[in-house]
Amino acid sequence: AQRVTQPEKLLSVFKGAPVELKCNYSYSGSPELFWYVQYSRQRLQLLLRHISRESIKGFTADLNKGETSFHLKKPFAQEEDSAMYYCALSVSSNTGKLIFGQGTTLQVKP
Amino acid sequence: NAGVTQTPKFRILKIGQSMTLQCAQDMNHNYMYWYRQDPGMGLKLIYYSVGAGITDKGEVPNGYNVSRSTTEDFPLRLELAAPSQTSVYFCASSNTGGAGDTQYFGPGTRLTVL
Repeated sequence: AQRVTQPEKLLSVFKGAPVELKCNYSYSGSPELFWYVQYSRQRLQLLLRHISRESIKGFTADLNKGETSFHLKKPFAQEEDSAMYYCALSVSSNTGKLIFGQGTTLQVKP
Repeated sequence: NAGVTQTPKFRILKIGQSMTLQCAQDMNHNYMYWYRQDPGMGLKLIYYSVGAGITDKGEVPNGYNVSRSTTEDFPLRLELAAPSQTSVYFCASSNTGGAGDTQYFGPGTRLTVL
């Protein structure tokens, strides 16, 4: 079955603390994974994608095929990182269809 | 560029009523998508389109219909509204539909069926 699981609904950390938002997937093919973010009163937008191996706003995510995970990490959280984060899995190479996880709300306290 | 636009922003329907959620994009994207987001459930794909005149079902198509007569517009039709269709609806578009392609989202429509 194709599935994306984000086990934490809410993650609350203090400013300057490390952050790790967990994402696990189930997929029989070669996975292409994304993190999307929705800041307050803004629309959902791409944060980063596995294929680009990029670091955006200090966030990184490494695909671990052995553990079927794509956790999002940042060494030092900032208050402006507070948002809803969604992990997504591409399940088609020619239609762009995505399966989303349930989302994790990150709350960074001052 | 306005990107992806959706109307209306909010709507309350009575059970059995019909309505059309509008979605338009000005990026000349071939691929467009409709999702619904229920509380705590993430986004689920309702329908998608790979170009004008071509649509297909996603994970949760029951109770909905779509059409794609132009590249720009992708309306979602609810024929007989039911309380189970209370949700936030997002429209998105992408350029190539490839596995690593970015989807661009609209601001959403919050629908309540009473």
